[in-house]
Amino acid sequence: QKEVEQNSGPLSVPEGAIASLNCTYSDRGSQSFFWYRQYSGKSPELIMSIYSNGDKEDGRFTAQLNKASQYVSLLIRDSQPSDSATYLCAVNDGVGSQGNLIFGKGTKLSVKP
Amino acid sequence: DAGITQSPRHKVTETGTPVTLRCHQTENHRYMYWYRQDPGHGLRLIHYSYGVKDTDKGEVSDGYSVSRSKTEDFLLTLESATSSQTSVYFCAISDWEAGGQDEQYFGPGTRLTVT
Repeated sequence: QKEVEQNSGPLSVPEGAIASLNCTYSDRGSQSFFWYRQYSGKSPELIMSIYSNGDKEDGRFTAQLNKASQYVSLLIRDSQPSDSATYLCAVNDGVGSQGNLIFGKGTKLSVKP
Repeated sequence: DAGITQSPRHKVTETGTPVTLRCHQTENHRYMYWYRQDPGHGLRLIHYSYGVKDTDKGEVSDGYSVSRSKTEDFLLTLESATSSQTSVYFCAISDWEAGGQDEQYFGPGTRLTVT
């Protein structure tokens, strides 16, 4: 059974701090990695995708990928109360997946003013 | 929501009744997916489609069927609803091609309650 693991949280950080969200995955064949943000009662929204080892930055968000350690993380700099949401890590279902993704259960982030 | 609509947005139905949920996209994406999201389980794939009339099962397909007669529409049917199918259902789309990028974009969701 392929798995994507995340700490459920809640992760609480003060406004302006860096929030660090982590995710591990079991399938070494996975090639695509995503972070989604989901506000309560809303649908998941894609915020970052990463396909190669290293860092990818987009505004206040940085995704980090380490395929050897099967680890992907999301850093949110200068966290704002509006960043309070559940963050879902998703990984493609390996070779021959036809684009299917496996989702973690999400980490709930709370940014305190 | 990337040109994706779902209908109905909310539904309450009784055990044993058939229910059909509709996903409609205006992006002309080849791939469409149905997920359910439950507390403690996260998002789980029910069925997906890789083209008109081409569908396949996901992780939790028992009790569900799907149909795709047009590129833009993907229907999810609960033949005889049970209380365990009370959930939030999300449709997603992707323009995935082999070796390409496989981002998925989600619709607004349907909250289904089976009493």
